[in-house]
Amino acid sequence: EDQVTQSPEALRLQEGESSSLNCSYTVSGLRGLFWYRQDPGKGPEFLFTLYSAGEEKEKERLKATLTKKESFLHITAPKPEDSATYLCAVQADGTSYGKLTFGQGTILTVHP
Amino acid sequence: KAGVTQTPRYLIKTRGQQVTLSCSPISGHRSVSWYQQTPGQGLQFLFEYFSETQRNKGNFPGRFSGRQFSNSRSEMNVSTLELGDSALYLCATKTSFRVADTQYFGPGTRLTVL
Repeated sequence: EDQVTQSPEALRLQEGESSSLNCSYTVSGLRGLFWYRQDPGKGPEFLFTLYSAGEEKEKERLKATLTKKESFLHITAPKPEDSATYLCAVQADGTSYGKLTFGQGTILTVHP
Repeated sequence: KAGVTQTPRYLIKTRGQQVTLSCSPISGHRSVSWYQQTPGQGLQFLFEYFSETQRNKGNFPGRFSGRQFSNSRSEMNVSTLELGDSALYLCATKTSFRVADTQYFGPGTRLTVL
């Protein structure tokens, strides 16, 4: 069974204090790994898609990386508006292309 | 380009009732997936539709059903509501069926069962 584990469950940072979120996955074969950001009461907002080990993508203060067993979301010099829940999801071989398996998320709080 | 639209945004129902939720995809998106989000279980896959056909179904009871129309709009139905069905129901759409491209989510429908 496909599994996605995110750590830590919650992370509190001071503004400007860089850190990383972890997403470990167990799948028979990875088609794609997706990062989303979710604000309270809203739907997940797409951030990045990664397809193969060694791939990296950046957007403003965020950088996502992928290895064969995990992905990291690096946050550089975060601001209070980066506070949200960050979700990691995988699209695995052997299932339909519309099914994502999600981790439980990391709740990020950035204090000014 | 307009995003994914879900209606209604909020619903309050009582146990035993049934409910229908609607999802209108981004223009050009033909694949629609539904997810249930709860604090305890997180985001769980319900089902996926493409070309008016259900392509996959998650581990939910038969009380949960869905359909897709020729214009790619989708509805999901929950019959005989239970307290545990209270959740945020999310619809996600993407362009194609056989590619692991990105799913874009709607704002969700918040269902409360009393």
